[in-house]
Amino acid sequence: DQQVKQNSPSLSVQEGRISILNCDYTNSMFDYFLWYKKYPAEGPTFLISISSIKDKNEDGRFTVFLNKSAKHLSLHIVPSQPGDSAVYFCAASAEGNTPLVFGKGTRLSVIA
Amino acid sequence: DAGVIQSPRHEVTEMGQEVTLRCKPISGHNSLFWYRQTMMRGLELLIYFNNNVPIDDSGMPEDRFSAKMPNASFSTLKIQPSEPRDSAVYFCASSSTMPAGANVLTFGAGSRLTVL
Repeated sequence: DQQVKQNSPSLSVQEGRISILNCDYTNSMFDYFLWYKKYPAEGPTFLISISSIKDKNEDGRFTVFLNKSAKHLSLHIVPSQPGDSAVYFCAASAEGNTPLVFGKGTRLSVIA
Repeated sequence: DAGVIQSPRHEVTEMGQEVTLRCKPISGHNSLFWYRQTMMRGLELLIYFNNNVPIDDSGMPEDRFSAKMPNASFSTLKIQPSEPRDSAVYFCASSSTMPAGANVLTFGAGSRLTVL
């Protein structure tokens, strides 16, 4: 049973508009949530994270929102750029040096 | 630092052959993870090590899979014998223990395995 779910396999957005990628989780023990970005033929690269004690974390064009009661998080990219086209993975972990549990990813296409 | 280095980048082999994937983690990182990416299952954890010691190998699919970390700078993932369903991209990642905060993994570029 998947503990981290990304229900949208793909998303298409026009350049300059907002991209919203969603993620749901089931394990209440998760303390940290991360987003990774992956280009073809490369490994995933870390983008942004949020702790369970916060509900928002912002880094430039990227903002992650966490709704702990709904076990839901989202990544907002504003404004979207063609270079943002990639697969985005949501990941979660418990406290400490524990492995990340990943969703299956959402492929974002930003159209110029 | 050159990042996490994996080899080979691509491997094509025939069913029944032995496959060995290699990983050099980032210097100073004390945790190492092996993940496998497939269309059906996404990124799934196979095994991870802390300070060269295997901690959890429950994700290793079968006895055909084995992993070792003989020292802090090298790990191998071996499949013997290989089967077509093992075809996937295998990623190695490393991280360092933090007193608090998210466990940010740094991934290698992956090894794409095709078993014919």
